[in-house]
Amino acid sequence: DGGITQSPKYLFRKEGQNVTLSCEQNLNHDAMYWYRQDPGQGLRLIYYSQIVNDFQKGDIAEGYSVSREKKESFPLTVTSAQKNPTAFYLCASSPTWTSGRVDEQYFGPGTRLTVT
Amino acid sequence: AQSVSQHNHHVILSEAASLELGCNYSYGGTVNLFWYVQYPGQHLQLLLKYFSGDPLVKGIKGFEAEFIKSKFSFNLRKPSVQWSDTAEYFCAVKSYGNNRLAFGKGNQVVVIP
Repeated sequence: DGGITQSPKYLFRKEGQNVTLSCEQNLNHDAMYWYRQDPGQGLRLIYYSQIVNDFQKGDIAEGYSVSREKKESFPLTVTSAQKNPTAFYLCASSPTWTSGRVDEQYFGPGTRLTVT
Repeated sequence: AQSVSQHNHHVILSEAASLELGCNYSYGGTVNLFWYVQYPGQHLQLLLKYFSGDPLVKGIKGFEAEFIKSKFSFNLRKPSVQWSDTAEYFCAVKSYGNNRLAFGKGNQVVVIP
């Protein structure tokens, strides 16, 4: 089955610890994205990557870091500098970054991170 | 920067009622428009999309949306909802030339049997 996997589904951490969220896709998509979803806030873009070894900050990148060493993987690290890390994190991918086609984004099941 | 507005964050209605969710965006150039749905416990999935042509777009599960360029709107409709339509609905806008999406804050829809 092709798709996007995120693990784990639930993650608990103590304040002050860094934590890395996993995102893997086997859709052969070039572009990958990380969003944060908070109740009543919609989805806000944290980081995105158009191609391997390249990534850009989204709207709320502070306190987060990413890497894109492989096409299929785009892990997100929530650092201790992120002031409000408790949230639902969604990973997405799309076939291309710029195109004349309308490439929708495909979403993973999400990881709910709780920091106490 | 693009912004997307969705009104009436919480919507409660009975089965067989009609549903209309509003979506307005701020970007003035060529846009592509999407509605995504998130059913309880499930992935965010595409409901429908508009890129060009007929401004009335039909999606899955009986949903449709109409693009009105002069009003910068892309409202979602369903003539008769079912209990299984209980979900959160998100409007998203993409400017031509990249795949970066701007999302609205969502509409939480609850359908009472």
